[in-house]
Amino acid sequence: GESVGLHLPTLSVQEGDNSIINCAYSNSASDYFIWYKQESGKGPQFIIDIRSNMDKRQGQRVTVLLNKTVKHLSLQIAATQPGDSAVYFCAELPYYFGNEKLTFGTGTRLTIIP
Amino acid sequence: SAVISQKPSRDICQRGTSLTIQCQVDSQVTMMFWYRQQPGQSLTLIATANQGSEATYESGFVIDKFPISRPNLTFSTLTVSNMSPEDSSIYLCSVEALDSRKLFFGSGTQLSVL
Repeated sequence: GESVGLHLPTLSVQEGDNSIINCAYSNSASDYFIWYKQESGKGPQFIIDIRSNMDKRQGQRVTVLLNKTVKHLSLQIAATQPGDSAVYFCAELPYYFGNEKLTFGTGTRLTIIP
Repeated sequence: SAVISQKPSRDICQRGTSLTIQCQVDSQVTMMFWYRQQPGQSLTLIATANQGSEATYESGFVIDKFPISRPNLTFSTLTVSNMSPEDSSIYLCSVEALDSRKLFFGSGTQLSVL
C-alpha cells in the first residue's frame, strides 16, 4: 500500500548547526505536504507546507525541499536551538479536495546538543 | 489558526470501562478528525467526524469501539469503549483550516489503561 516513511528515526545535532530531516513518500497522487513538530506532551504543531508545483519553500529558519522525481521531502532547520528538540513528522495529502486524510510518516526525533 | 481544546488532557482508566474525550474549537469548522498515536509511534487516523451524520471510520476502526458524536460545527466527542491496555495511546482531535488544507491539532488526551 501507499506509505510515507522517514529514513532516520533519531538525529542529534550540535546547537547552532543546521539539521536536515528526510522523508520518502510513495503515493504519486500526493500533491500537498506538511511538516509537523511534536514536543513532548503536546499535539503536532504545523511548521511549513509545500505544494507539488513547488520545489522549495522557506520559512523562518526552516526550508522544505521537494523532489518529485524521487518522491523525497526534506526539512532543513538552520542554526538549531534547544527548543528545536522534538519529533518531526512529514505528512502528505492526495489531490482530491474534501477528502483531507493526512498520512503521517514514522517521525524523526531531533535532539539538539547544547 | 483555530484554537482547539481537548478534555481530559490525561486519564488512567480500568480495563472494561469507557472514556469520552471532548474536543472544542473556537470557530466553526467543517472537517474534524480523530487520530490515535500509540507510544513512540506516528499518528493514525481513526475517523472523520461529520456534522449531522455518522462518522466515517478508517480501516481497522469501528463505531462500536470508538463512537463519535458531532452535534455542531465546533464540538465533537470520541468515546473509547470497553478499554483494554492496548488502547493506551494519545488521542488527538484535529480540524481543517477554513482557508487552506492545513490541519491543526489539539494537545491530545494521554490515556493509560490498567
